Parts: sequence; structure tokens; C-alpha cells
Amino acid sequence: GAGVSQSPSNKVTEKGKDVELRCDPISGHTALYWYRQSLGQGLEFLIYFQGNSAPDKSGLPSDRFSAERTGGSVSTLTIQRTQQEDSAVYLCASSRNTGNEQFFGPGTRLTVL
Amino acid sequence: QKEVEQDPGPLSVPEGAIVSLNCTYSNSAFQYFMWYRQYSRKGPELLMYTYSSGNKEDGRFTAQVDKSSKYISLFIRDSQPSDSATYLCAMKTGGGNKLTFGTGTQLKVEL
Repeated sequence: GAGVSQSPSNKVTEKGKDVELRCDPISGHTALYWYRQSLGQGLEFLIYFQGNSAPDKSGLPSDRFSAERTGGSVSTLTIQRTQQEDSAVYLCASSRNTGNEQFFGPGTRLTVL
Repeated sequence: QKEVEQDPGPLSVPEGAIVSLNCTYSNSAFQYFMWYRQYSRKGPELLMYTYSSGNKEDGRFTAQVDKSSKYISLFIRDSQPSDSATYLCAMKTGGGNKLTFGTGTQLKVEL
């Protein structure tokens, strides 16, 4: 079956601009996660959605970062007023209810000039 | 100090060798342990998933967890050039949602 899909695959933007990254999880997976992968930092958790529950936003690095999940499926991660330190690969994952096996998408490579 | 430590490598081995990849951790609340493989410019691919201590085998891959030592390992038998990738360990607490990752070990299997 289809895996997690993300778009765009690459995004180049100028400092100060807003960007939106999209994630389409595996069909039937109720949990959705966003992670960020930076050079030297590894993979860092950003935010978690599970069904209709309030999201776990504990990993968001600043209030410039926000995410939403509409209809329990597609999610959008928004970064406002981008900074150069936001340059990274943004990875989305989804899992069945238990969340122990998380399946990742190919990521969006964000470059802030 | 990071919660999960992993030697970044690079680790270079000849084809057919047995590869041992390891992670140590400090959080005794971790109960679920995973290994992911990540090829260059691709997303991580789940290889192995284990709960608590013990061994799990899947084809050429064996995952070991020693909770008393806070140490996990991934063994790859009969390594192939196609195994060349970065291997990431990841862990999760019983009631938690997020995965905590090691920084990854870069493996190169040479002909």
C-alpha cells in the first residue's frame, strides 16, 4: 500500500518568508508525527497528533512553528518568518494507535537563504 | 549529555562481514527500541522493533536489548553493499508518543 507522502520534496525560501509543508499519512493510521533532522542534531520530535485529542506540541522550538491536522488525515506544518537555522529536513511519520511502529515519509528539505 | 548516544562512524566493512551497531541510553523509562535504516536523501525505514529486553531476529538482522546495561545492538550478518546507509536507533517510553533518536551510524559495505 501507499506509504507516507510529503510535499514539496524540496523548498528554498528567503529569510523572513512563511512556508507550509504537507504530510499525507498512511491510510488508517490515526497518529501523526513531525520531526526535524538537522546536521549534527539528529532527528528531533516536533509535534504529535492522535485522533481528536489535543496535539502534543512539546517539541516545537518556537512560536513561529505551528501545525494542524484536518479531518484526522492530512497535516500541514507552518513555519512563519523563517530563519536560517530552520534549514533542515522535515520528516513526517504515522502509526497505528499504539504508536510504537512509526513509518516515515521521504521528508521535505527546507533551505532558508 | 544526550539521552541516546550512538557512534557516528563512519564504519567500513568488507562484503560478507558481520556488522555490529550499538547505542547506549540514560533514560531507564525507555521500553520500546527500534532500528531505522536511512539511505542518503531518503526518509528513515523501520528495520526492527523490540519491546523490553531480549533478542529479535529477522532474516540477516538481529536486534538485542540489554536494559540492565542500557545498551542496544543491531547485528547484520552477511553484509551487502546495499546495506550501506545510516543506521539510527530510536527509543520510546511506555506511555510516551515521541521517539528519541541516536545521531546515526554511517555504514559502508565495500566489495
